[in-house]
Amino acid sequence: DTVLTQSPALAVSLGQRVTISCRASKSVSTYMHWYQQKSGQQPKLLIYSASNLESGVPSRFSGSGSGTDFTLTIDPVEADDIANYYCQQSNELPYTFGAGTKLELK
Amino acid sequence: EVQLVESGGGLVQPGRSLKLSCAASGFTFSNYYMAWVRQAPKKGLEWVATISTSGSRTYYPDSVKGRFTISRDNAKSSLYLQMNSLKSEDTATYYCARLGGFMDAWGQGASVTVSS
Repeated sequence: DTVLTQSPALAVSLGQRVTISCRASKSVSTYMHWYQQKSGQQPKLLIYSASNLESGVPSRFSGSGSGTDFTLTIDPVEADDIANYYCQQSNELPYTFGAGTKLELK
Repeated sequence: EVQLVESGGGLVQPGRSLKLSCAASGFTFSNYYMAWVRQAPKKGLEWVATISTSGSRTYYPDSVKGRFTISRDNAKSSLYLQMNSLKSEDTATYYCARLGGFMDAWGQGASVTVSS
């Protein structure tokens, strides 16, 4: 199985630029996607295929990477962005998710 | 507007069965692969099952293979998850999701608690 590794938490200040990383245990090409999950809500797709912004998602979100190393960037961070962020690969079955990165305010 | 609404969750004893349903609207259901994803309390996301557009192909991780069955009724725009031989570790919120490799629409989730 492809294991996705994310940092557990990041502390940020509003207005700051933040990068959330996801490392895959093997190459997933660009079959990497990012989700935001706020407390008590279902996940929401932000970025698909590494760098494509989902319709309706603010342009302060962006994604990059290929192979094994991927990044989700939020610039600038707003209060509404405080949430958990998950990466997910669809290069091979079983589809796997990272354990999530919790974005917190400093 | 794309909508996915799960139902059928609840409290069930270990070893028993439960069937979840997901009603889809706002898109042509039969054109999309669909998936179930679960989230244990305070934990991350885990993919549980995927089904092809016609229902002829299904996929599961080892953790549920042989116990869970995903199915669909395209005439009713509905997705199902039959869960048998439930274990305490199956306790989670179960989400149905529209699948295109990535999951671009999610339901609000159905809570399943496996406990005696």
